[in-house]
Amino acid sequence: EAQVTQNPRYLITVTGKKLTVTCSQNMNHEYMSWYRQDPGLGLRQIYYSMNVEVTDKGDVPEGYKVSRKEKRNFPLILESPSPNQTSLYFCASSSGRQNNSPLHFGNGTRLTVT
Amino acid sequence: SQQGEEDPQALSIQEGENATMNCSYKTSINNLQWYRQNSGRGLVHLILIRSNEREKHSGRLRVTLDTSKKSSSLLITASRAADTASYFCATVLVTGANSKLTFGKGITLSVRP
Repeated sequence: EAQVTQNPRYLITVTGKKLTVTCSQNMNHEYMSWYRQDPGLGLRQIYYSMNVEVTDKGDVPEGYKVSRKEKRNFPLILESPSPNQTSLYFCASSSGRQNNSPLHFGNGTRLTVT
Repeated sequence: SQQGEEDPQALSIQEGENATMNCSYKTSINNLQWYRQNSGRGLVHLILIRSNEREKHSGRLRVTLDTSKKSSSLLITASRAADTASYFCATVLVTGANSKLTFGKGITLSVRP
């Protein structure tokens, strides 16, 4: 089954403790992206990757890192999480450029930073 | 910002009625997409309409695009309780080798049985 898999689904951590949220897709998609969703703010893009070893900042990249060593994986790294990073995070992928390719989303990771 | 803005923010209708949701944006776009999100889940792509298209249908969904007014509408006909969800429009702008997809803040649709 074609899918985007995120782990974990829920994560509670403390300020400053490094964490990684994994994302994997099995559709051989070139494009992958991370979003955060907050009430009243909609979805905001954190980072995206057009292909292996190519990553770019989205609209809210501060406090986050990503890597794209393999086509299928696009982990999101929070080196020193803070409470304002408490949010619902989504990974998404699409084939090629987005001019005609819809995004496929994972089921989300709800992160709480205390 | 080219961000789409949906209208209304929330909509409550009776099962069987039609639901119309609108999206406005500010800059030229290459295409516009509509997504649905069930509570706490990932977004699911519904339909994509290109800038040179005016109307598209998919099952009970009808999407229109008016580039002169920079607006789009999503019509769900004969709504069902299972259509209860949040709906997002997303605009795509391609510039050179890059493309940017920007989501609106969403519309919450409640369909009463």
